Amino acid sequence: SDELTQPPSVSVSPGQTARITCSGDALPTQYAYWYQQKPGQAPVVIIYRDSERPSGIPERFSASTSGTTATLTISGVQSEDEADYHCQSSDSSARSVIFGGGTKLTVL
Amino acid sequence: EVHLLESGGDLVQPGGSLRLSCAASGFTFNTFAMSWVRQAPGKGLEWISAISGGVDNTYYADPVKGRFVISRDSSKNTLSLQLSGLKTEDTAVYYCARETGTGSYRYFDYWGQGTLVTVSS
Repeated sequence: SDELTQPPSVSVSPGQTARITCSGDALPTQYAYWYQQKPGQAPVVIIYRDSERPSGIPERFSASTSGTTATLTISGVQSEDEADYHCQSSDSSARSVIFGGGTKLTVL
Repeated sequence: EVHLLESGGDLVQPGGSLRLSCAASGFTFNTFAMSWVRQAPGKGLEWISAISGGVDNTYYADPVKGRFVISRDSSKNTLSLQLSGLKTEDTAVYYCARETGTGSYRYFDYWGQGTLVTVSS
């Protein structure tokens, strides 16, 4: 079955650039979406359709997809960006939603 | 403003049943597909069930197929999930989420705050 694979953790210093990857065989044909989830809170969508940013999401959040890998990039990381980040797509049949395992971003 | 509020989470024994509800407001409820997504403690998100807007077709992930039933009452703007045959691995926070888009364009633009289901003897 289709799966999405994320690194469990990424660490970065304030002001640096964080990159979080999401790999899956469905990604060449299905869009990738990214959610930010802070402790005790519900997820919030920060990227939709591979690279689009909802209104209110800071410009430092960007994303792209190439082949089987989607990448979320956070430029100029701030302490408030410390959170779990989840990628989401659809399986190759576009009938089921699939999530990656989530990546914990630590701001050193 | 869109608002989703889950309720019904509880401690239940293995093999037991539970009904979760999600009260929706701020949008035309019956025109949107809705989903339940769960998150086991310290784990990632897992989509488990969806109901389409309008015709109310239902969909389930394999781990819950045959045990969980999703439904909606559009007169009360309420989404429900009936859980039965519960297993310890069903322990999780259960979120209801509004879907937008279809097929490859499908994602979740609004989420509730979640309700905790604990399955333990």
